[in-house]
Amino acid sequence: EIVLTQSPGTLSLSPGERATLSCRASQSVSGYLVWFQQKPGQAPRLLMYDASNRATGIPDRFSGSGFGTDFTLTISSLEPEDAAVYYCQQRSAWPLTFGGGTKVEIK
Amino acid sequence: EVQLVESGGGLVKPGGSLRLSCAASAFTFSSYNMIWVRQAPGKGLEWVSFINFRSDTIKYADSVRGRFTISRDNAMNSLYLQMSGLRAEDTGVYYCTRDKDLNIRASDIWGLGTTVTVSS
Repeated sequence: EIVLTQSPGTLSLSPGERATLSCRASQSVSGYLVWFQQKPGQAPRLLMYDASNRATGIPDRFSGSGFGTDFTLTISSLEPEDAAVYYCQQRSAWPLTFGGGTKVEIK
Repeated sequence: EVQLVESGGGLVKPGGSLRLSCAASAFTFSSYNMIWVRQAPGKGLEWVSFINFRSDTIKYADSVRGRFTISRDNAMNSLYLQMSGLRAEDTGVYYCTRDKDLNIRASDIWGLGTTVTVSS
């Protein structure tokens, strides 16, 4: 099973600051890495697929990068509505696995 | 509007059974791979099961294999999850999701979820 480790566990930043979220895989997932955003009481929302492709309707302040085992989700300038938990998921091998999540708090 | 609506959740005793349904609308259901994902209270996301568009590729998480059965009825635009031998650790919100494309492995549409509680 591919283990995804997300860091940090919590990120507390001010509006306008840059957020950098990490997702590290225990073995290569090639580019098959997905990012989701989940707000309290809501279903997850697709942000990025294939590591660096923004999903429909996602603002361009969100960007993704990486290949193999190390991936990054960057929010270039935080907005208050970006407060959420962010999960990565690998779609390279069975079983599909999620990271433990990074909580982004807005000061 | 493209939509997935789950139903069938509820309170069940350990060892009991439940059948979840997911009704799809406003897209060609038979052309999409589907996935169940669950989330225990206050915890992260856990993949449960996958079924491809033709039902000839089915996968399960180790935690549910042998107890859960995924299926679909393309004529009825519906996805199902038959759950038996339920345990307390199966408690959570169960989401039905659609893969974005047959060539894009990413859940782009999610239902609101249905809650399963396993307790005596």
